[in-house]
Amino acid sequence: DQQVKQNSPSLSVQEGRISILNCDYTNSMFDYFLWYKKYPAEGPTFLISISSIKDKNEDGRFTVFLNKSAKHLSLHIVPSQPGDSAVYFCAAKRDTDKLIFGTGTRLQVFP
Amino acid sequence: NAGVMQNPRHLVRRRGQEARLRCSPMKGHSHVYWYRQLPEEGLKFMVYLQKENIIDESGMPKERFSAEFPKEGPSILRIQQVVRGDSAAYFCASSSSRQGGGGNQPQHFGDGTRLSIL
Repeated sequence: DQQVKQNSPSLSVQEGRISILNCDYTNSMFDYFLWYKKYPAEGPTFLISISSIKDKNEDGRFTVFLNKSAKHLSLHIVPSQPGDSAVYFCAAKRDTDKLIFGTGTRLQVFP
Repeated sequence: NAGVMQNPRHLVRRRGQEARLRCSPMKGHSHVYWYRQLPEEGLKFMVYLQKENIIDESGMPKERFSAEFPKEGPSILRIQQVVRGDSAAYFCASSSSRQGGGGNQPQHFGDGTRLSIL
């Protein structure tokens, strides 16, 4: 049962434009959501998170939006840079500590 | 990098052998989590430990897999009698408190151990 879904396996965006990565979830009990970035042969790096009581959180070029009624969250990166090319994982947790990860979206930012 | 340290980075074992994966959490972190990533998949939770205690092992296979986090030393994920299906990347994460995945205390990951079974 895939509780966290990233339906786009890949995304290609031109440098300077906005990248929008999407994530859907099925469990309405999730209380916290996180985005991680992962380069090949490295571990995931935490990017940004959002509590279920909020609908937006911003940190520099990264903004996460949460739509609880649609069980949907998205990560916006603007402006996109070549160094942003990586696999992005959405993750969620409820009242336990384990993270439930999506399958990832590979972002490629081209010049 | 004073982050989460995992070793070895790569481990090759033959079927039937034992694999031991080590994880030293970030300084000041007392909560350790193990995840497994199969090719083209996301990370799957395996086990959550605090010093000398297993808190949640709901993601651990019932047989051959065990984990510990002793009072002194790194956390160990042990796989006995490995099979081809155990080939994966195993990631360890740590956090400073019980709310490991929330607030401003996210889980921080190591670079993983790539386990290959011949």
